[in-house]
Amino acid sequence: QQQVKQSPQSLIVQKGGISIINCAYENTAFDYFPWYQQFPGKGPALLIAIRPDVSEKKEGRFTISFNKSAKQFSLHIMDSQPGDSATYFCAASNTGNQFYFGTGTSLTVIP
Amino acid sequence: DAMVIQNPRYQVTQFGKPVTLSCSQTLNHNVMYWYQQKSSQAPKLLFHYYDKDFNNEADTPDNFQSRRPNTSFCFLDIRSPGLGDAAMYLCATSRALGQSEKLFFGSGTQLSVL
Repeated sequence: QQQVKQSPQSLIVQKGGISIINCAYENTAFDYFPWYQQFPGKGPALLIAIRPDVSEKKEGRFTISFNKSAKQFSLHIMDSQPGDSATYFCAASNTGNQFYFGTGTSLTVIP
Repeated sequence: DAMVIQNPRYQVTQFGKPVTLSCSQTLNHNVMYWYQQKSSQAPKLLFHYYDKDFNNEADTPDNFQSRRPNTSFCFLDIRSPGLGDAAMYLCATSRALGQSEKLFFGSGTQLSVL
């Protein structure tokens, strides 16, 4: 059973546009929601993370929006650049230290 | 400045022939993880070590074993690989156990089973 559902599977955005990736979860015990970025040939790397006590977290061009009642969270990439082209994974974890990952979104930013 | 190093990048093995994947880290982290990632699927945790304590996920097949001889190294042994074991295997580390710990991943080993 997929604990974290991620969409879309792939995304193509024009340079300068906004990229939006969505994730949803069911387990209300999750209390930490990181996003990982993976470039081809590299392992995933932590990009940004949020806890459910805030509705939004922003770091540079990257913003996580969190809707606790809907059990959804999303990654927004503002002013998307070709260098942002990568696969993005959302994840969720609880006190059991088990990280559940989404299936990933392949983002392509075209110049 | 690779911090989590996996070797080899690509591994080809034959059906039923034991194979070992290796991972090393220069971060001196206490926790090391092995994830299996099949095409277009989420990474799935197989097991992790907290120091020398081994923690196997309930649904990890017995065919998968792991060894951690010291802090820096961790190995994934697949005793009798099947076609369904073809996947990317990701090693990760974290400083400690905890739901907000940052995971540091290696570049992965892509395993093919012929």
